[in-house]
Amino acid sequence: DAGVIQSPRHEVTEMGQEVTLRCKPISGHDYLFWYRQTMMRGLELLIYFNNNVPIDDSGMPEDRFSAKMPNASFSTLKIQPSEPRDSAVYFCASSLDRDTEAFFGQGTRLTVV
Amino acid sequence: QKEVEQNSGPLSVPEGAIASLNCTYSDRGSQSFFWYRQYSGKSPELIMFIYSNGDKEDGRFTAQLNKASQYVSLLIRDSQPSDSATYLCAVALSGYSTLTFGKGTMLLVSP
Repeated sequence: DAGVIQSPRHEVTEMGQEVTLRCKPISGHDYLFWYRQTMMRGLELLIYFNNNVPIDDSGMPEDRFSAKMPNASFSTLKIQPSEPRDSAVYFCASSLDRDTEAFFGQGTRLTVV
Repeated sequence: QKEVEQNSGPLSVPEGAIASLNCTYSDRGSQSFFWYRQYSGKSPELIMFIYSNGDKEDGRFTAQLNKASQYVSLLIRDSQPSDSATYLCAVALSGYSTLTFGKGTMLLVSP
């Protein structure tokens, strides 16, 4: 397996624009997580899915953030409208269970100017 | 309140020395503990996990867990410059369904 695949690797966008981040989890993993990492706050869990169903989105900072998982091999994280404070590295991770080893994708470095 | 605490560092050690990284957690009922390594600009990768009190060794790495004192540590023997990275502690806190990550400790190994 190629591991967790995220795209794009880098995204630079202007404030107010819509941003969509994409993730393909490891095949067979039932759990998918979206994290955001900043120097100030570290690695924060935004939302996670179990078998394509969102389980806990309490980490999503605002209504501007939304996530979907239409099937077992694809998930998106959307920010609309984007703001400079959304600038961070966004990681997608997948695992066999919710509290076992999480395998991380390469991340998307988002810069909102 | 869920908490996993780590000293941000940097922890500087000379090549060949033992590096000791520490992590404390708030919930006595926590069951699973993980150490991830993150190189600058890269994603976290798992290097060790431990579930039971005591030590667990894997090559140059030893994870130590003390549930009574609520801390977990990572020892790196014969530290190499390639070990220079940020080490993240992650804990499955009871009452929370996913891993909670500390902010990480930066380790610098000088040649």
